[in-house]
Amino acid sequence: DQQVKQNSPSLSVQEGRISILNCDYTNSMFDYFLWYKKYPAEGPTFLISISSIKDKNEDGRFTVFLNKSAKHLSLHIVPSQPGDSAVYFCAASGNSGGSNYKLTFGKGTLLTVNP
Amino acid sequence: ETGVTQTPRHLVMGMTNKKSLKCEQHLGHNAMYWYKQSAKKPLELMFVYNFKEQTENNSVPSRFSPECPNSSHLFLHLHTLQPEDSALYLCASSPRVVSGYGYTFGSGTRLTVV
Repeated sequence: DQQVKQNSPSLSVQEGRISILNCDYTNSMFDYFLWYKKYPAEGPTFLISISSIKDKNEDGRFTVFLNKSAKHLSLHIVPSQPGDSAVYFCAASGNSGGSNYKLTFGKGTLLTVNP
Repeated sequence: ETGVTQTPRHLVMGMTNKKSLKCEQHLGHNAMYWYKQSAKKPLELMFVYNFKEQTENNSVPSRFSPECPNSSHLFLHLHTLQPEDSALYLCASSPRVVSGYGYTFGSGTRLTVV
C-alpha cells in the first residue's frame, strides 16, 4: 500500500506561470516532508523540505505547503522556467524513531515547462 | 571528489552473469542505502547500512547481495538476475539513519538484464 501518493504522473505548464505539484500521504507518523528533483540520467537532488510544525516553507521560487489535517502537501514553483522541467518526487519520513525513519517516496510527477 | 559516486553508469548483463555495482561517498555520512527505481513506480528502498552494519533488508531477493566494507563504500553484487530486475539502481547516503534529513543520491546505475 502506497504511503506517499503523487496522483498526477505529469504536468505541463507555460514558462512564467505557476506550477503546482501535489502529494498526499497516509501515514500519520510522518512528520518531515521533502521534495526531490530528478533530471534524466542523474540521481534525485534535494529541493526543499518542511517539518510538520510548519505549514509553509519558502526558498526562492519554491514554496512547499503542508496541510496536516488533510495529509496533503504541495510544491509551488513561480515563475516556472524551462530548466525546471524534471521529475519531482515527494518523500516523507518520521523522525520519532521506529521504522518510519526511512524516506518513503511517491512515484513522481514529470513537470514540463514550455517556453 | 565530493558527493556520492556510482559506477558503472550503465550495465548490460545476461541472466547467468555475476556483476557488482559500486557506490562511494566522501561526505562523512554514516548511513548508506540502495534504492531501486523501476518505470512508473516509487523509489523502492532495498537495503540500509548504518556504520557498516546492515540494519534493513526490505524483502529483497537473494540474487541481490549487498556489501559495506566501510562507511564510505557500498557494493551491490548481482547474480542470476531476471529481466524484470532491469531498473535504475540508486545509492544514497545520509548523516545518520534515524532521520529522513540530508539524503544525498548518486547518479545511479542503469541496469539492463538480457
